[in-house]
Amino acid sequence: AQSVTQLDSQVPVFEEAPVELRCNYSSSVSVYLFWYVQYPNQGLQLLLKYLSGSTLVKGINGFEAEFNKSQTSFHLRKPSVHISDTAEYFCAVRSLAGGSGAQKLVFGQGTRLTINP
Amino acid sequence: DSGVTQTPKHLITATGQRVTLRCSPRSGDLSVYWYQQSLDQGLQFLIQYYNGEERAKGNILERFSAQQFPDLHSELNLSSLELGDSALYFCASSAGTSGGGREQFFGPGTRLTVL
Repeated sequence: AQSVTQLDSQVPVFEEAPVELRCNYSSSVSVYLFWYVQYPNQGLQLLLKYLSGSTLVKGINGFEAEFNKSQTSFHLRKPSVHISDTAEYFCAVRSLAGGSGAQKLVFGQGTRLTINP
Repeated sequence: DSGVTQTPKHLITATGQRVTLRCSPRSGDLSVYWYQQSLDQGLQFLIQYYNGEERAKGNILERFSAQQFPDLHSELNLSSLELGDSALYFCASSAGTSGGGREQFFGPGTRLTVL
């Protein structure tokens, strides 16, 4: 079974500072990795995904993530955060479940990013 | 707006009752997924349907059931409700089943409160 660990439950950062949200996964097979963002009282929105190819993935809102197979990590970064980035961020791995066609996502526990002025 | 709609937005009910949550996927999407988000369990996969057929089952209780109809909308039925079933229930949809990188688009969720 696959699992995802988000190492920080809360990350406070000052506006315009850089931020890194850490994510580690465990899997015995190749995986697809995702970062989702959840703004207050809203559903999840995809920030970026890693399927294959370049290990540096760029997403929306200036976020990027780097896939590191040897360290089984997929950390999310942004060089300069804004107040509007305050949200909960979820790392997820796609798990093969139940045979072909099954695409369930396994999520980490989430990291609450708080941007302070 | 993801294109996935869920109704109702909020639901308050009592223990022992039964409720139905409804989801309409994005136009053209054949797969529907249900997830439960609670404070203690986080985001957990419940069940997936593809074109009317069940494809994968996660941590779904026996008191819960789901189905996907010919028009591709899906319903999640929760019965004999307990206090611990209070959570945010998300529906997501994706285009198909081939290719592992297909994005799942999430609806806004239904917040269920069991009193």
